[in-house]
Amino acid sequence: DAKTTQPNSMESNEEEPVHLPCNHSTISGTDYIHWYRQLPSQGPEYVIHGLTSNVNNRMASLAIAEDRKSSTLILHRATLRDAAVYYCILINAGGTSYGKLTFGQGTILTVHP
Amino acid sequence: SQTIHQWPATLVQPVGSPLSLECTVEGTSNPNLYWYRQAAGRGLQLLFYSVGIGQISSEVPQNLSASRPQDRQFILSSKKLLLSDSGFYLCAWGQGLHSPLHFGNGTRLTVT
Repeated sequence: DAKTTQPNSMESNEEEPVHLPCNHSTISGTDYIHWYRQLPSQGPEYVIHGLTSNVNNRMASLAIAEDRKSSTLILHRATLRDAAVYYCILINAGGTSYGKLTFGQGTILTVHP
Repeated sequence: SQTIHQWPATLVQPVGSPLSLECTVEGTSNPNLYWYRQAAGRGLQLLFYSVGIGQISSEVPQNLSASRPQDRQFILSSKKLLLSDSGFYLCAWGQGLHSPLHFGNGTRLTVT
C-alpha cells in the first residue's frame, strides 16, 4: 500500500479554520484518500474521502492536489470536540485490499479555547 | 440505519485464561468485517478481516483467532491469553472495496 506522511501534531484555536496536511507521493491512480479521526478512548470515526475532486460534507472538506500527491483536510471552524488524532489513509479500490485500513501515527490536533 | 455493537466495554483477564469478544452489525447485509487492536499509545493494527460467513483472513500471526458464524456476527477468541494481548480491540464493518469503515466503541482488555 502507498504510504502517507502527516505532521505529528498541530494546534489551533477554537472557532478558527484548521488545515491538516497529508503527503502521499506514491499514490496510485486507484487509491482513494480517506480521513478518520479518533477521540480518546473511542473507535475511529470516518470523516471524509475522495479520489480526485475536492469533497465537502457536514464535518469537513477535503482538498486534493491536482497531481494527487498531497491532500488537506479542512475543518472550517474548529471546536473543542474536534481535538483528536486525525489519520490520512489510502485505500486501493482494486486488488485484494478488501477495504482494509492501514493506520499510521496520524496528527494529534489540539484545540485551544 | 446501520449500527455496530461490541461487548464487553472493558475486560480484565488473567494470563492463560480464554477470551471471547463479540461484535454484531445491524441494518446491513453481507458486510466486510474487521478486528483491529490498538496498544497503548500506538496506532491501530489490523488483526483479521472477513468478506463472508466462514471466510477469515489473518493479518498478523499470533495466539488469537476469529470466526464469523453468521453474516453479521464476528467473534475474536483466544485459548490462552498472554500479557502482550492487552490493548484496545475494535470491530469495524464496511461495504465494498473502498467504502468507509464504521467502528464499534471497542473493548479495553487488560491481561494481568
